[in-house]
Amino acid sequence: GQSLEQPSEVTAVEGAIVQINCTYQTSGFYGLSWYQQHDGGAPTFLSYNALDGLEETGRFSSFLSRSDSYGYLLLQELQMKDSASYFCAVSRTDKLIFGTGTRLQVFP
Amino acid sequence: DTEVTQTPKHLVMGMTNKKSLKCEQHMGHRAMYWYKQKAKKPPELMFVYSYEKLSINESVPSRFSPECPNSSLLNLHLHALQPEDSALYLCASSRLLAGDSEQFFGPGTRLTVL
Repeated sequence: GQSLEQPSEVTAVEGAIVQINCTYQTSGFYGLSWYQQHDGGAPTFLSYNALDGLEETGRFSSFLSRSDSYGYLLLQELQMKDSASYFCAVSRTDKLIFGTGTRLQVFP
Repeated sequence: DTEVTQTPKHLVMGMTNKKSLKCEQHMGHRAMYWYKQKAKKPPELMFVYSYEKLSINESVPSRFSPECPNSSLLNLHLHALQPEDSALYLCASSRLLAGDSEQFFGPGTRLTVL
């Protein structure tokens, strides 16, 4: 089967750094993506790792290790507006397969 | 224009009604998708269209009927739905189908079936 597991909830304070992990049991995918979804909103694309290693986009970084079947999203200098759900997703030939999702709550 | 639009934003329907959801994009994307999302769950793929042809139907009940009239439009026709079909219905598009990394999502239609 194919599954991507994430912690259900993560909490942190403003200005902190938080890491959201994604462990998967699937193979034959192009890359690992991350999406952010605010309550009542649409998922929006954050980052994509086609290769192993770290990709940095402003305050957000994403990491992939295919040998460990593991990836993570790192959020730095947390802001209140970062409170949202975060989904990892693997890109197959024909579709995205989403992870279980992590709800991030940022406190002042 | 880097936007996917969906109408209506909200829809309440009875189990005997027929209604349609509409999705539009003008980014020249050749792949379009319908997802269903329940609260606190990830989006669940329903249908994929590639170059206006249905390429994936994830064993969706026939009371949901997709249609792709042209490369910019995607419809989802609803008939005889059940209360458990109440959910957020998301449309998305991507440049191409094969291994495309980024999907652009519309704001969704919040559907309530009474």
